[in-house]
Amino acid sequence: SQQGEEDPQALSIQEGENATMNCSYKTSINNLQWYRQNSGRGLVHLILIRSNEREKHSGRLRVTLDTSKKSSSLLITASRAADTASYFCATDGAQAGTALIFGKGTTLSVSS
Amino acid sequence: DAGITQSPRYKITETGRQVTLMCHQTWSHSYMFWYRQDLGHGLRLIYYSAAADITDKGEVPDGYVVSRSKTENFPLTLESATRSQTSVYFCASSSRGPSGTGELFFGEGSRLTVL
Repeated sequence: SQQGEEDPQALSIQEGENATMNCSYKTSINNLQWYRQNSGRGLVHLILIRSNEREKHSGRLRVTLDTSKKSSSLLITASRAADTASYFCATDGAQAGTALIFGKGTTLSVSS
Repeated sequence: DAGITQSPRYKITETGRQVTLMCHQTWSHSYMFWYRQDLGHGLRLIYYSAAADITDKGEVPDGYVVSRSKTENFPLTLESATRSQTSVYFCASSSRGPSGTGELFFGEGSRLTVL
C-alpha cells in the first residue's frame, strides 16, 4: 500500500506563479524525499528532508515537514514551463531496511 | 558512460512468455531496486537488493524473479508474462540503504506490453 499520498493529483498554473504540492504519509519516517519525473523519463531526486528538520531550501524549491501531522509540502517558486512534470514524495519506514515507498504523484503543468 | 542503464527500453511480448529486463549500474552502489509504474498506482516496489546475492520482496513481487550475482547487475524476470504485468518498469540504485537516507538514481525505464 502507498505510504505517501500527494495532493492535488493535478495542478495547472501560469509561468511565474508558485506551485504547492502536499504529501501525507501514514507511519513514522526517518526521512522524506521528493522526486521529479519528466514525461517518458526516469525519476530524478530533488531534495531530502530528515525527520528532525522542519524546512529545507534548494534553489527555487522549499520543502516543509510536519511530523506531528505526518505531512510535507513542496513549494516551487516562480514556476517555469520547464517545471512541467510529475512530482512524487517518497518515504522510508522507521525500521531499518525498509525500502522507499512512493506516492502516486502530482502532475504539474506550467503554461507560458 | 557512468550511470544506470535499462534494457530493453521497449518490449512487446505475449502472454505466457518469459521476459527478462536488464539493469546495469556503474557506480558500484550496494542497493538496487525494481519498481513498476502504473496509472493510478504510482510507483510500487517489486524487489530490492542490499548487496550481491541478497534480495528481498517488495509490495508486489508475485510473478517476478530477481537475481544479483554481481553488484552491478540486477535483472528482473517475468517467468510467465500476464497482461496485468503490462507496465513501465524502473530500476534504481543507491549507495546507502533506504533508512540510511539513500538517494535513489533511476534508469530511464523499460516499457513492457503483454498481449
